Amino acid sequence: AQSVSQHNHHVILSEAASLELGCNYSYGGTVNLFWYVQYPGQHLQLLLKYFSGDPLVKGIKGFEAEFIKSKFSFNLRKPSVQWSDTAEYFCAVNADNYGQNFVFGPGTRLSVLP
Amino acid sequence: DVKVTQSSRYLVKRTGEKVFLECVQDMDHENMFWYRQDPGLGLRLIYFSYDVKMKEKGDIPEGYSVSREKKERFSLILESASTNQTSMYLCASSLTGAIIYEQYFGPGTRLTVT
Repeated sequence: AQSVSQHNHHVILSEAASLELGCNYSYGGTVNLFWYVQYPGQHLQLLLKYFSGDPLVKGIKGFEAEFIKSKFSFNLRKPSVQWSDTAEYFCAVNADNYGQNFVFGPGTRLSVLP
Repeated sequence: DVKVTQSSRYLVKRTGEKVFLECVQDMDHENMFWYRQDPGLGLRLIYFSYDVKMKEKGDIPEGYSVSREKKERFSLILESASTNQTSMYLCASSLTGAIIYEQYFGPGTRLTVT
């Protein structure tokens, strides 16, 4: 069965610091990759997604992620975080043998200090 | 904008009660999903449905059942609630097609079983 891991449970940064959140998955075939964000008290929403093509994808609010197939990774980055980025971030993977379903990672809580 | 609504934001039930969680989406999506979200475990798939009256077990279906009588509505049923079913329950929907579409999430129902 596929699994998704996220390296950090809780990350604390000061405003303007750079962010990188790790995501690794276990499946060796074709994958579609997603990052979702959940702001406090709000529903999960899509940050960005990768299906094919350029492995560096850009999403909303200045976020980007890089797909490195050889490392089974899809890390999320942002050059300069803001207090409003405080949220929980989830990596999700859809594998080509899993129909329409996603496997989600355990999430990383990001706290940005003003 | 896609809208996924859930019948309750907060629910408190007693052990042994039958519990119904309702989810409605307004974008004519074929796929609907029920997840539970627990700290450190991320989102785990309970059941999903690709079409009306169709249902498939996810990763943790024990203790749950579902109903999809209409395309826009997907219900999660806890036949006899137990304290280990205290959790946040998230409903999601997505289109189906040749590519994998993102899932849109509802606001969640926080269920407490006492």
